[in-house]
Order: sequence, then C-alpha cells, then structure tokens
Amino acid sequence: DADVTQTPRNRITKTGKRIMLECSQTKGHDRMYWYRQDPGLGLRLIYYSFDVKDINKGEISDGYSVSRQAQAKFSLSLESAIPNQTALYFCATSGGLEDGYTFGSGTRLTVV
Amino acid sequence: RKEVEQDPGPFNVPEGATVAFNCTYSNSASQSFFWYRQDCRKEPKLLMSVYSSGNEDGRFTAQLNRASQYISLLIRDSKLSDSATYLCVVRMGWGKLQFGAGTQVVVTP
Repeated sequence: DADVTQTPRNRITKTGKRIMLECSQTKGHDRMYWYRQDPGLGLRLIYYSFDVKDINKGEISDGYSVSRQAQAKFSLSLESAIPNQTALYFCATSGGLEDGYTFGSGTRLTVV
Repeated sequence: RKEVEQDPGPFNVPEGATVAFNCTYSNSASQSFFWYRQDCRKEPKLLMSVYSSGNEDGRFTAQLNRASQYISLLIRDSKLSDSATYLCVVRMGWGKLQFGAGTQVVVTP
C-alpha cells in the first residue's frame, strides 16, 4: 500500500456542488498538508496541520476547508465548487522540520 | 516577485550529455533546500537535499550559493528516464516548503 493515499484519483463535479477529497497516511507523521498545482504556478499551499488539534491556513485557503479526523487522516472540502478550482490536488506528509515531504498520487479535479 | 523562481525550459538534452539549471530564491532567511522530481501528472518525489558544501548523488550534483541566493542541479550522462520536471524547493522556517514552478528536462535519443 502507498504511504499516502488520496481518494478519489479523478473527479468531475458541477459548479456549486460540495466535494470532499480524502487523504490518509501510514507513515505515522504528525504533519499533513494540502496543495494544489496549476500549470506554470507550481504547488501552492491550501491548508496544513501539525497535529490533530492544529489547523492552519495556507496561502490560498479561500473557498476550502479541512478536517483532521485522526493523525492519519486529513480531508479537504470545497463547500461550493467553482471552475477556477479545477486543478491537481496533492496531500503530503512530513515527519519533522528537516524532512522532505511524501506526497500522495494526487486528485485531478475538474469543476464544470 | 515569486519566492522561488525557475526557468521553465524545456531543456532539450541529447542522451549522454550534461545539463544544468538554476533556481533563485528571494528570502535570505531560507534554511533548507531540496530538488524534487515530478513526472507528468504524477506526484513530486524527493530527488535530493541540497547542502551548503554541495553534494552528489550518482549522476546528480546539487550546489547552493547563499550569497547569490540560488541553487543548482547538474545531471551528468543524461538518460532517457531523466526526462521530467525538476522542482526547486525551499524551506522558509517552521517547516513550510515553498515550491518553484519547475524546470522541464527532455532527454532525446
């Protein structure tokens, strides 16, 4: 099994719909992150969490919310999806300050 | 100005040749540096950390120049499998990583 699992892998949804992207990890890490990737812009941080009771906004949190249900689970919600939220979404985890990130395989979301 | 800037490329490289490219960062307080590799539509994967003294990992060499605020990646004896986008990544402080938009490398037969 993958260290970081994201579901779904692909999703097409309509404008205004609520959608949840899920992420789970088996690395036992406290730190988890949600990024989106758009062509030419690189990865941008949406939300991050350093433990179950810690949730922080990233640079582009508007229109998104998150829930850290357990150490291993971190979900991202779009309450009312809009077309400019069409992107590739990645969940990541890290063990500490000096660690790199381990990414999930991504969710390709299209909002029509 | 972006915090981490990269030449998007593509860098077209004949198989067996050497390719090198840089990344500049704007925050002089940046603490750690990494190169990640990303294949098309796949997740980024850590290629190597970049240390102050420079470091090698097989055919890959990374250098850090703090005075000029850039890091570099050099790939020797390029393989077709090296074709990918290389992401420059900078750690700002509390653990947050700032990603560049990537440099595309295409190795041709």
